[in-house]
Amino acid sequence: NAGVTQTPKFQVLKTGQSMTLQCAQDMNHNSMYWYRQDPGMGLRLIYYSASEGTTDKGEVPNGYNVSRLNKREFSLRLESAAPSQTSVYFCASRQGLNNEQFFGPGTRLTVL
Amino acid sequence: KNEVEQSPQNLTAQEGEFITINCSYSVGISALHWLQQHPGGGIVSLFMLSSGKKKHGRLIATINIQEKHSSLHITASHPRDSAVYICAGDNNNDMRFGAGTRLTVKP
Repeated sequence: NAGVTQTPKFQVLKTGQSMTLQCAQDMNHNSMYWYRQDPGMGLRLIYYSASEGTTDKGEVPNGYNVSRLNKREFSLRLESAAPSQTSVYFCASRQGLNNEQFFGPGTRLTVL
Repeated sequence: KNEVEQSPQNLTAQEGEFITINCSYSVGISALHWLQQHPGGGIVSLFMLSSGKKKHGRLIATINIQEKHSSLHITASHPRDSAVYICAGDNNNDMRFGAGTRLTVKP
């Protein structure tokens, strides 16, 4: 089992460019999450999908969109990247509310 | 004031010492998570608890719901325990994280 995979591992964008971060899990988990981690700020929830077909905003959703493509995949889209979106992005998944989360390896994004 | 506060921010210990990391939260939660972030950046879940106490090997996590406080203890600490430890309040998928405690265990 690969667990939770994220692509790409690194990305550099210019202000205003768009991109999609991909996340996939092979554990048949129902719930998936996108977080960002900034120095001194800790992890913050961007969006989550409690089950296939549903998505909900987290603490910091502005500037992002998500798609729960199927049970395995949950993508995060930046339509017009800004320097404030420079961060490390983590995807995570879990079976349900009473379960622990499994994290992907992260994507380091720099917006110039 | 952050909704989830951790202390201390940084902790240095000698190998073999007993370590305690504290987490206080001001929000309503259904569960409390403890995570470990390795120096390379990877994050693993250590515990998820909603009451009482859990133990995995040398790690123990406790939670006091009335006082809105949780602790992570490491017994007989080892240099490989050096990492950032993060607590998170889980309010039915709405996750709020502490800033983390950077632990360094010296041989």
